[in-house]
Amino acid sequence: EIVLTQSPATLSLSPGERATLSCRASQSVSSFLAWYQQKPGQAPRLLIYHASNRATGIPARFSGSGSGTDFTLTISSLEPEDFAVYYCQQRSYWLTFGGGTKVEIK
Amino acid sequence: QVQLQESGPGLVKPSGTLSLTCAVSGGSISSSNWWSWVRQPPGKGLEWIGEIYHSGSANYNPSLKSRVTISVDKSKNQFSLKLSSVTAADTALYYCARDIADYHDAFDIWGQGTMVTVSS
Repeated sequence: EIVLTQSPATLSLSPGERATLSCRASQSVSSFLAWYQQKPGQAPRLLIYHASNRATGIPARFSGSGSGTDFTLTISSLEPEDFAVYYCQQRSYWLTFGGGTKVEIK
Repeated sequence: QVQLQESGPGLVKPSGTLSLTCAVSGGSISSSNWWSWVRQPPGKGLEWIGEIYHSGSANYNPSLKSRVTISVDKSKNQFSLKLSSVTAADTALYYCARDIADYHDAFDIWGQGTMVTVSS
């Protein structure tokens, strides 16, 4: 099983600040990595697929980078609606999710 | 656009079988997508259960494989999940989801989820 480790567990930032979220895989997943945003009471929402491709309708302030074992989700300038939990997910070998990073208002 | 809707009993007895259905609307289950089940225990993270293609080919999470069956009904445009020998650890919000056709490495459409509690 490929384990995805997300860091930090919690990120406390203010609106307008830049958020950098990390996802590290226990072995290479090539570029088969996705990022999701989840708000309370809602299903996850796809942000990024194949490491760096923005999903339909996702604002340009969201960007993904990385390959192999180290990946980053960057939110260039936090909007009030961006405070949520973010999950990474790999599809290289079976399918697993990371434990999540909560982005909270400072 | 494609929408997914889960349905099924909200309460299942321990040692029983959990059965859920995901209805696909606005599109065909025979498209070039895999269809998955994902669950989320209360206050916890996401766990992939398994997936199916319209041909009937299925893949399962190795940790659940012995208890899971996913099937497809093309005539009803839906797919289903059966999880046997359930315990309290199977209490979760169950989502159905569609994988993205480009790379098949992410889920671009999700149902709203249905809560299943395992309790006597």
